[in-house]
Amino acid sequence: QSALTQPPSASGSPGQSVTISCTGTSSDVGGYNYVSWYQQHPGKAPKLMIYEVSKRPSGVPDRFSGSKSGNTASLTVSGLQAEDEADYYCSSYAGSNNFVFGTGTKVTVL
Amino acid sequence: EVQLVESGGVVVQPGGSLRLSCAASGFTFDDYTMHWVRQAPGKGLEWVSLISWDGGSTYYADSVKGRFTISRDNSKNSLYLQMNSLRTEDTALYYCAKAPPRSYYSFDYWGQGTLVTVSS
Repeated sequence: QSALTQPPSASGSPGQSVTISCTGTSSDVGGYNYVSWYQQHPGKAPKLMIYEVSKRPSGVPDRFSGSKSGNTASLTVSGLQAEDEADYYCSSYAGSNNFVFGTGTKVTVL
Repeated sequence: EVQLVESGGVVVQPGGSLRLSCAASGFTFDDYTMHWVRQAPGKGLEWVSLISWDGGSTYYADSVKGRFTISRDNSKNSLYLQMNSLRTEDTALYYCAKAPPRSYYSFDYWGQGTLVTVSS
């Protein structure tokens, strides 16, 4: 199972928006509405930000939103804040009780 | 408050064995599917294994199938990962993670991880 493809980096100024893509195949991202996104600060555990493509867990700001089109999912962070600077990983169910993560994207707040 | 605390990570030689533990609290442990996810130093996340709420179903990534065994003891609110025939490429921070209610397709709470180093 190959990792999902994410851009290595993304950046934006405070208040701006940044969108991160997550490209897979019809066997994972395109085949199921089970894409999730995780934020990871250095030295910390990942935190769930989005699940089932576009649902936000309780406590996650509505600045974070998710979507999917075909084999590509996206995470958009609107109104960027300094604390949003982190690594972001997507994940997708890949069928047959398997899961695959993305390669990760480092978001920098300029 | 949900808490997951992993333990058992050490330095081990290639070919060796190790058992990781994850102590859970703050939720009804036997209601939820649990996962192990790992992260090699400086690298991305890799799903390792999952176990159903009752331990009746277990699944593994191809990279660990036949070498790792996931288990749980609901009476002790604990999750385990038995790791055999360890390879250098198994070196990673191992996280236990809880699945959300009525689903097992994401990971809503994570522990802080326990470091496994496979080296001679």
